[in-house]
Parts: sequence; C-alpha cells; structure tokens
Amino acid sequence: EIVLTQSPATLSLSPGERATLSCRASQSVSSYLAWYQQKPGQAPRLLIYDASNRATGIPARFSGSGSGTDFTLTISSLEPEDFAVYYCQQRSNWPPIVYTFGQGTKLEIK
Amino acid sequence: QVQLVQSGAEVKKPGASVKVSCKASGYTFTGYYMHWVRQAPGQGLEWMGRINPNSGGTNYAQKFQGRVTMTRDTSISTAYMELSRLRSDDTAVYYCAREAPGLYGDYDYWGQGTLVTVSS
Repeated sequence: EIVLTQSPATLSLSPGERATLSCRASQSVSSYLAWYQQKPGQAPRLLIYDASNRATGIPARFSGSGSGTDFTLTISSLEPEDFAVYYCQQRSNWPPIVYTFGQGTKLEIK
Repeated sequence: QVQLVQSGAEVKKPGASVKVSCKASGYTFTGYYMHWVRQAPGQGLEWMGRINPNSGGTNYAQKFQGRVTMTRDTSISTAYMELSRLRSDDTAVYYCAREAPGLYGDYDYWGQGTLVTVSS
C-alpha cells in the first residue's frame, strides 16, 4: 500500500509570504495526486487534482507540481484565509483499489 | 447545485452499529462513485471505502473489511455507510464524498460530516 508523507508537519508563515508544502509517495502514483484544504469544523475542499490542475473556483495563488513520488503545493502569497490544514491524497493505479491521504500539514500564522 | 446532506450526530455504545446516510442532489446520483472518509478528533483523514451507486459494487479499505457495509437507494439518491461492532476509537466525523469525473480519484464535493461518538 502506498504511503504519503507530508512535510513539514507544521509551517509557520506570515500573510504575504510564499508557502511550499511537500508530499512524498512511497512509490510512484503517476500524477494522480490531489490537494485539499481543511478549516476547523469544515469538510475538506478540493484545491488541486491530477497534481497540477486547479479545481473550480480556486484562486490562482494556489499551484501544484510534481509527478511520480514527489509533489508540491505552493501558495504564492498567503492570504489570512489560507491558514488551515492541507492534505494530499492519491488513488492506487492498480488493484487493490485504495485511496490514501497524507497526514496533513498545518499552516499557521507566524 | 451539487449537495451532499448527511444524517445527524449519533451516540452509540461499544459493540453497537451505526448507519449514516448521505443524500445527494443536483446531479445524476448513479453517475459517480461515492466514498466514505472519516476523521477522528484532532487527526487526519482516513479512507473507508467506496460504492458504485449504479451497480452497488463496493471496495472497502482492508482495515474495515468485515465491519463496514456501504449501500445505496437509487430511488432517493441516498448512500449509506453502516459500521458494526463499534469501539471507542471509532469516534470520529464521518464524511461522504463524491469522486470527481475523470480518472484522477479526487473528491469534488463533500457532505457536511456526521459525528459518531462511541461511549459507554
């Protein structure tokens, strides 16, 4: 089973700064990787799918990159509403069908 | 607009079962896989399984095999997740999530979550 490891666990930055979040897979997941944002008391929200495609309505300051085993979510200039927990997620490309989440990165205000 | 509306919070005793519903609207229910994901207090997201609402076919995470049953009622566009032999560590918010169109395996719409508390 593929394991997704996110780093760092916590990232402390100020509004206006650039955020770089990492997700590493234990084996190749091609480009089938998604990123979600979750705020307290809310369901996750899809940000990025297929590693680099922004979901509908997601601001351009969010971007994703990577393929194979190493992926990055970049927020170019942090807005106050961006401070949240971010998860990466992948779906296995072959049986057994398994969907996996990373353990999350908490982006907090410095 | 697409909406997934889940049933309300539940409190159960250890050993009991819980059944959570997820009513879909705003799209063709049978056209998209429905998944169930849970989140224990202060913890991350955990995939439980998925159901094909068209065929009723299911895939479950190995961890939940034998304890989870996912079903659907196409006449009312509702998916269900039943978890049996509940333990205290099953206390979590349970989400339904629609798998997005395409082959990428991501979730474009989520329910609001249902808190299940397991306590004696």
